[in-house]
Amino acid sequence: NAGVTQTPKFRILKIGQSMTLQCAQDMNHNYMYWYRQDPGMGLKLIYYSVGAGITDKGEVPNGYNVSRSTTEDFPLRLELAAPSQTSVYFCASSQGADTQYFGPGTRLTVL
Amino acid sequence: AQKITQTQPGMFVQEKEAVTLDCTYDTSDQSYGLFWYKQPSSGEMIFLIYQGSYDEQNATEGRYSLNFQKARKSANLVISASQLGDSAMYFCAMREMMKTSYDKVIFGPGTSLSVIP
Repeated sequence: NAGVTQTPKFRILKIGQSMTLQCAQDMNHNYMYWYRQDPGMGLKLIYYSVGAGITDKGEVPNGYNVSRSTTEDFPLRLELAAPSQTSVYFCASSQGADTQYFGPGTRLTVL
Repeated sequence: AQKITQTQPGMFVQEKEAVTLDCTYDTSDQSYGLFWYKQPSSGEMIFLIYQGSYDEQNATEGRYSLNFQKARKSANLVISASQLGDSAMYFCAMREMMKTSYDKVIFGPGTSLSVIP
């Protein structure tokens, strides 16, 4: 099993550009999450989903959007990128409310 | 208010010795879960150990054990026989039962552990 995969691994954006961070899991997990990790900090929840077609905001949703059209995929959309969105983005999934399994992360720099 | 506190930004331990990483939490829920994750310099997040609030025995996973003191609201991670590969950031996290169907997971700021040969 691949587990949780994320693409791209690295990306540099200019201010105002848009992009989509891809996340997929092959464990048939209902729950999926997007976190951001700023340098030297813990993780903050951006958005989460409890199943296909259901998404909700986390702690820091501003500037982001998500969709969950399938159980496997949970893309994160950045519109009008800002330097404050420079961070490492982690996608995770879990079966119910148990252990979360994390993807390798996407390192995003906005210049 | 910060819900997860890790008071040790950085720790050093001699190889083969045991080390305790502190974690205290704040919740009014009776039912919750506590996790520890390891993040090596490569960046991935690795699940280490889980303790449920109703579990009477401390959780153990190989060299990792969780010293759960419910009354003190602490969930310290103990790593026995430290290895060089244990050098990493360690995050304590808590799962709270929300009124909605989603159980929210909150992460602490992390502790950087360095194992000295």
